[in-house]
Amino acid sequence: GAGVSQSPRYKVAKRGQDVALRCDPISGHVSLFWYQQALGQGPEFLTYFQNEAQLDKSGLPSDRFFAERPEGSVSTLKIQRTQQEDSAVYLCASSLVATYNEQFFGPGTRLTVL
Amino acid sequence: AQSVTQPDIHITVSEGASLELRCNYSYGATPYLFWYVQSPGQGLQLLLKYFSGDTLVQGIKGFEAEFKRSQSSFNLRKPSVHWSDAAEYFCAVIEYGNKLVFGAGTILRVKS
Repeated sequence: GAGVSQSPRYKVAKRGQDVALRCDPISGHVSLFWYQQALGQGPEFLTYFQNEAQLDKSGLPSDRFFAERPEGSVSTLKIQRTQQEDSAVYLCASSLVATYNEQFFGPGTRLTVL
Repeated sequence: AQSVTQPDIHITVSEGASLELRCNYSYGATPYLFWYVQSPGQGLQLLLKYFSGDTLVQGIKGFEAEFKRSQSSFNLRKPSVHWSDAAEYFCAVIEYGNKLVFGAGTILRVKS
C-alpha cells in the first residue's frame, strides 16, 4: 500500500508570505505527527493529532504556525507571514495506534524562505 | 524531558568493516527506542525498535542494536558495511507515549 505522502516536496516563499503544507497519512492510521528538521539537526516535534483532535501542539514555535486535520485523515500545516528562520524540512508521520507505536514518515517538504 | 545524545557527528568506515553508532538517552522509566536512517532527499526509514524483552534487537538491512539500561545506551551495529549504507542515522525515544525525541544524527561515510 501507499506510504505517507507530502506535497509540495519543495516550496520557496518570500518572507511574509503564507504557505500551506499537505500530508496524506497511511490509510487507517489514527495518529499523525508533524516535525520540523532544520539543516544539520534532528527532527523536532511540532504537533500531534489523534484522529481529528489536536492533542498536543506544544512544539509549534509561534502562533504563526497552525495545523489541522478536519476529517481525521489529511492534515495541513499552515505557516503565516513566513520568516527566514522557518526554512527547514517539514516531516509528517503517521502511526496505526495512538501510543507507543512505530511512526511512518513521509519524504518531507523542504521550505525555503527568501 | 527526555533527551537523546549521539556523540559522533560524522563517522567514516571502509566498505566491509564493522560499524557501531553510539546513542545515549535520558529517561527515568523503560524507554521505547528507535533507530531511523535518512538518505539525502528522503524521509526517515525505521531500521529497528526496542520496546521490551530481548535487549539485542535485529532490524532491516543487517543492522542490530543492543539496549543497555546500566549505560543508558542503545548503540547501532552492523558487522560489514556496504557503500549503500552511507546516510544519516538518527536515534530516537518516545516521550509521553507518542512524540519522538531525536538525537542530532550521525552522518556515515563509507570509503571504498
